[in-house]
Amino acid sequence: KQEVTQIPAALSVPEGENLVLNCSFTDSAIYNLQWFRQDPGKGLTSLLLIQSSQREQTSGRLNASLDKSSGRSTLYIAASQPGDSATYLCAVSYGGATNKLIFGTGTLLAVQP
Amino acid sequence: NAGVMQNPRHLVRRRGQEARLRCSPMKGHSHVYWYRQLPEEGLKFMVYLQKENIIDESGMPKERFSAEFPKEGPSILRIQQVVRGDSAAYFCASSPAGGFFVEQFFGPGTRLTVL
Repeated sequence: KQEVTQIPAALSVPEGENLVLNCSFTDSAIYNLQWFRQDPGKGLTSLLLIQSSQREQTSGRLNASLDKSSGRSTLYIAASQPGDSATYLCAVSYGGATNKLIFGTGTLLAVQP
Repeated sequence: NAGVMQNPRHLVRRRGQEARLRCSPMKGHSHVYWYRQLPEEGLKFMVYLQKENIIDESGMPKERFSAEFPKEGPSILRIQQVVRGDSAAYFCASSPAGGFFVEQFFGPGTRLTVL
């Protein structure tokens, strides 16, 4: 069964800290992996998309890495800010005719000022 | 270029009524996905449609749920005879094409509450 797990479920850090969010997937035959941000009561904002052939992607203070063989991805946030507080979701696609996304349950991040 | 639009943003229905959720994809996008987020659970895929075609409905409950994406107009997710367990956030995503490396863009969601 294809499952995605995110650890930790919740994280609270003081402003300015660097932090790492983890995502693991049971079936390593993914085509791509996306990291999203979800604010309370809002939709999903795509942060980074990593294709299966890539090892990492960077956008500003965010860096996502992918180790396909071990079934893991990490999202690194540098110099965290209170505005980074949100739920971070990891999702994988196994391609096929649908390219549907399989989501983890997310990590709720709180950055304390 | 407007993003994915969903309406209504909030919908309240009584048990037994029908719910209709609308999704207008981004301009130029012809592929639509529907996902459901139950309370305290992750998002789950429901259905994938292209214009006038349902490509994959493997995540849709067998009864009461249907989806369409007509040649003209928004995609509609229809839930007949709603029950309390249908209360959830329903998200629509669109992409410009199919394929493995095409990013999906999400709308703000419709939050359905069944009384």
